[in-house]
Amino acid sequence: QKEVEQNSGPLSVPEGAIASLNCTYSDRGSQSFFWYRQYSGKSPELIMFIYSNGDKEDGRFTAQLNKASQYVSLLIRDSQPSDSATYLCAVKQDGGFKTIFGAGTRLFVKA
Amino acid sequence: DVKVTQSSRYLVKRTGEKVFLECVQDMDHENMFWYRQDPGLGLRLIYFSYDVKMKEKGDIPEGYSVSREKKERFSLILESASTNQTSMYLCASRGGSKQYFGPGTRLTVT
Repeated sequence: QKEVEQNSGPLSVPEGAIASLNCTYSDRGSQSFFWYRQYSGKSPELIMFIYSNGDKEDGRFTAQLNKASQYVSLLIRDSQPSDSATYLCAVKQDGGFKTIFGAGTRLFVKA
Repeated sequence: DVKVTQSSRYLVKRTGEKVFLECVQDMDHENMFWYRQDPGLGLRLIYFSYDVKMKEKGDIPEGYSVSREKKERFSLILESASTNQTSMYLCASRGGSKQYFGPGTRLTVT
């Protein structure tokens, strides 16, 4: 079992819709959770982080964390073609050195 | 804003050459990382450093070495480049729990 799992996609949504990206992790000691956006040929960019159970909103992005079920999700409201990218989920244990990355979900937003 | 810079965006080297990739961060972060990213394989950790002159092997250290003589600079060295080291190399720096990436170096070994 991979430590951080994501559906590779592609996930295709129409412009203006809500895109829902999901991630599960295996280590119950994980404390910090991140979402990165990576455009083709570019490096990953940190867009959201969440540490506590529940929802965290930042503009059109909402991160959701459920530690009991060991999943974290990213919702993108009012999706735009410019949101088309690969989204990486990342998980870190408290005090650990490594941040574990998922393989990413490709998102296409159709105009 | 955190800034992580890498010495080259694109690099072409010949098989057997010694290759240096440099990374500099300006946020006084203690932790720095080198990854490579290949299609279908995701991000793979090569080496990381948690302090000056301190380094630890990641998941795929073979064929690579690193140097961290100053806190802001973390260098990746390919002792004798091979074609299977053609890849995108990403440096990252971490403060607290948040990790930030440099722009990447696309290395081609011919």
